[in-house]
Amino acid sequence: AQTVTQSQPEMSVQEAETVTLSCTYDTSESNYYLFWYKQPPSRQMILVIRQEAYKQQNATENRFSVNFQKAAKSFSLKISDSQLGDTAMYFCAFMISGGSEKLVFGKGTKLTVNP
Amino acid sequence: DTAVSQTPKYLVTQMGNDKSIKCEQNLGHDTMYWYKQDSKKFLKIMFSYNNKELIINETVPNRFSPKSPDKAHLNLHINSLELGDSAVYFCASSRGGQSYGYTFGSGTRLTVV
Repeated sequence: AQTVTQSQPEMSVQEAETVTLSCTYDTSESNYYLFWYKQPPSRQMILVIRQEAYKQQNATENRFSVNFQKAAKSFSLKISDSQLGDTAMYFCAFMISGGSEKLVFGKGTKLTVNP
Repeated sequence: DTAVSQTPKYLVTQMGNDKSIKCEQNLGHDTMYWYKQDSKKFLKIMFSYNNKELIINETVPNRFSPKSPDKAHLNLHINSLELGDSAVYFCASSRGGQSYGYTFGSGTRLTVV
């Protein structure tokens, strides 16, 4: 079974600084997708960034980028120029390619951006 | 126009009651899901339907029954509610194929008293 581990239950960062959230996963599959979702206090789940395992190039979306290390099964999220609106729970998630499209989530990291 | 809409957003009910949560998506997606988020914020899949066919049925008490009248709707009916059913329930949908991830509804906070 696939598992996703987020080892940092809580983190904080000062506004405008950079923060990195960690995620590791365990799978025997070679083709899969990885995601980071953001859940602000409003409760809405928002897709932040997506990575295809067969692509070596790390995905980026504006201030958000990932460091994908396939051999190490690591998928960290870097947030640059942190903003107050980045305060949220962040979930790392995994999905096998060509399977049932079941999304397996980590337990989340609560990020607080301080002014 | 809301892409994935759930109703109600909040539901407070007594133990033993039966309740339903409705979900509709207007994205044309083929697959819909129900996830449960517990008090520690952990998200776990309950069910998924692809074009009205049940694909995933995780270890969920049979008091929970999903119903998909068409591929745009996936409702969740819960019988004989228990205190432990209190959680946030999310509906989601996905396009399938290239796995672009899910589009989630805004969640339904269910409180059983």
